[in-house]
Amino acid sequence: EVQLVESGGGLVKPGGSLRLSCAASGFTFNSYTMTWVRQAPGKGLEWVSSISSSTNYIYYADSVKGRFTITRDNAKKSLYLQMNSLRAEDTAVYYCARLKYDTRHFDYWGQGTLVTVSS
Amino acid sequence: QSALTQPASVSGSPGQSITISCTGTSSDVGGYNYVSWYQQYPDKAPKLLIYEVTNRPSGVSDRFSGSKSGNTASLTISGLQAEDEADYYCSSYTTTNIGVFGTGTKVTV
Repeated sequence: EVQLVESGGGLVKPGGSLRLSCAASGFTFNSYTMTWVRQAPGKGLEWVSSISSSTNYIYYADSVKGRFTITRDNAKKSLYLQMNSLRAEDTAVYYCARLKYDTRHFDYWGQGTLVTVSS
Repeated sequence: QSALTQPASVSGSPGQSITISCTGTSSDVGGYNYVSWYQQYPDKAPKLLIYEVTNRPSGVSDRFSGSKSGNTASLTISGLQAEDEADYYCSSYTTTNIGVFGTGTKVTV
């Protein structure tokens, strides 16, 4: 069974940093592009960042470029999102999702972890 | 990376059919057959309903169907049921290599 479990969310002050993790199981992690998607309270989904299976390709939404860094450890079957210079507008539930790159859709999602940026 | 445009809400009675539109540009919806649809219940993760415009993953009811014409994709729910009351999001690949989601539609039964 495919499972994606996020962790690392919490309350952080504006300008602070946080590192999110996503532990994967039930599939060959190093064969898939992985993505972070976020959802602000009461708002829609936003594609944040993607990283290819071998880390050759990394993409960021303009809203987080230069502040967030996506990485992965294939040996540990884990995905990470380092978030720096956090702003109030980064407050959201952050989902880890598996991307089927050949057809560009998300077939599995984690349960999400809440990040709250507030003083 | 502007969000794709969806109606904020759509409603229907049990047994009816409803259609949710998803409008983008030639750089996303109109340029690729990589449109997908997701269903989301409150405080739950999204669930894949449709991929590559018309394909349904195994386990998804055939009451859900997708289509596309030009820059607009559509999700149709036939035989509307109470359990279909949820939020629905479209998504598309874009020329920037990062995808984009729709603004979301709340379906009320």
